[in-house]
Amino acid sequence: GQNIDQPTEMTATEGAIVQINCTYQTSGFNGLFWYQQHAGEAPTFLSYNVLDGLEEKGRFSSFLSRSKGYSYLLLKELQMKDSASYLCAAFSGGYNKLIFGAGTRLAVHP
Amino acid sequence: DAGVTQSPTHLIKTRGQQVTLRCSPKSGHDTVSWYQQALGQGPQFIFQYYEEEERQRGNFPDRFSGHQFPNYSSELNVNALLLGDSALYLCASSPYRGVGYEQYFGPGTRLTVT
Repeated sequence: GQNIDQPTEMTATEGAIVQINCTYQTSGFNGLFWYQQHAGEAPTFLSYNVLDGLEEKGRFSSFLSRSKGYSYLLLKELQMKDSASYLCAAFSGGYNKLIFGAGTRLAVHP
Repeated sequence: DAGVTQSPTHLIKTRGQQVTLRCSPKSGHDTVSWYQQALGQGPQFIFQYYEEEERQRGNFPDRFSGHQFPNYSSELNVNALLLGDSALYLCASSPYRGVGYEQYFGPGTRLTVT
């Protein structure tokens, strides 16, 4: 089967660091995406990992371990505008098909 | 460069009716995927179109059908609407060059079935 698990909700303080974990079990795994989605809006691309290791992009970093079926998204220097849902998605099969988790709702408070 | 566009933005339909949603992909993209996102859930893959053919399909009934036109735009049709079809319908486009290419999402169509 195909399964993506991530925490339902997280809270953090402005200026802090938060790590959102994601575990996956998918057939034909070809990479792991993270998307940010504000309420009522479309998902926007944050990062993509295909090889093991850490990818850094400004305040956002994403890590992948293919052998463990595990990824995390690290957000540094949190800002109020980072309050959103964060979607973990596995790239599955030979086509551009994404299998999404249910998303993690992050609330950043002052 | 226009991104992915979808129409309409919002739609209200009655149970049993039929609906057609439209999507224009980002310039240079030839593959269109459709997703259904229920409230509080992640997007669920419905199907994908490339070269005017359905290439992959998720776990959705035959009431959900689609079409891709020669200009790569696409339609999603849903027949015999159920209350459970109420959701945000997202269209995503990408280039068909193999794996690992980011899918760009449109703003979505919010469908409410009453």
